Amino acid sequence: DAGITQSPRHKVTETGTPVTLRCHQTENHRYMYWYRQDPGHGLRLIHYSYGVKDTDKGEVSDGYSVSRSKTEDFLLTLESATSSQTSVYFCAISDRDSYGYTFGSGTRLTVV
Amino acid sequence: SQQGEEDPQALSIQEGENATMNCSYKTSINNLQWYRQNSGRGLVHLILIRSNEREKHSGRLRVTLDTSKKSSSLLITASRAADTASYFCATDENQGGKLIFGQGTELSVKP
Repeated sequence: DAGITQSPRHKVTETGTPVTLRCHQTENHRYMYWYRQDPGHGLRLIHYSYGVKDTDKGEVSDGYSVSRSKTEDFLLTLESATSSQTSVYFCAISDRDSYGYTFGSGTRLTVV
Repeated sequence: SQQGEEDPQALSIQEGENATMNCSYKTSINNLQWYRQNSGRGLVHLILIRSNEREKHSGRLRVTLDTSKKSSSLLITASRAADTASYFCATDENQGGKLIFGQGTELSVKP
């Protein structure tokens, strides 16, 4: 979707290294979310933000941190990547909490 | 936690047939939403139904909601090969929590 971009699209990293994924939006939406998608688990919420510098934990936040210093950017950091964090990561935005999310195209992360 | 559970997990039909997918959830909700995901892509929002609505239409999509049974169904009429995708329901857990997604129904429409 043109209003939301994720970078990188693909990344391979080694166990123990820090990794940062970026979500950038041009819609000026207040709410931003990070999900991970794994076979057998569907999408699970990692962290979310309801404004600049306002973030909170989701269902599977251990090992992840986030930052939102500008409305348009929401960064997800894996502090020390583990193989269990191999997944597809999706960012989503919304102008109203829990209504009609717009998703990015995803980042496929492989931790070796 | 898994709020929405879709059924069936996989569905294969011929072009022109109708496809019905079901979703059950556990807690009270404000709304229930359906999303589509094409292979290798992000999810796309299809339709939202509020807890005080029983049925909603959008083009070839028809969504029903039964809050007494905590269930919803998505009907795609006159399916096309382009409808081949995974379909997810999502609910706001406990009326105000973040969206919780089910594991999805994989729909295959054969030409």
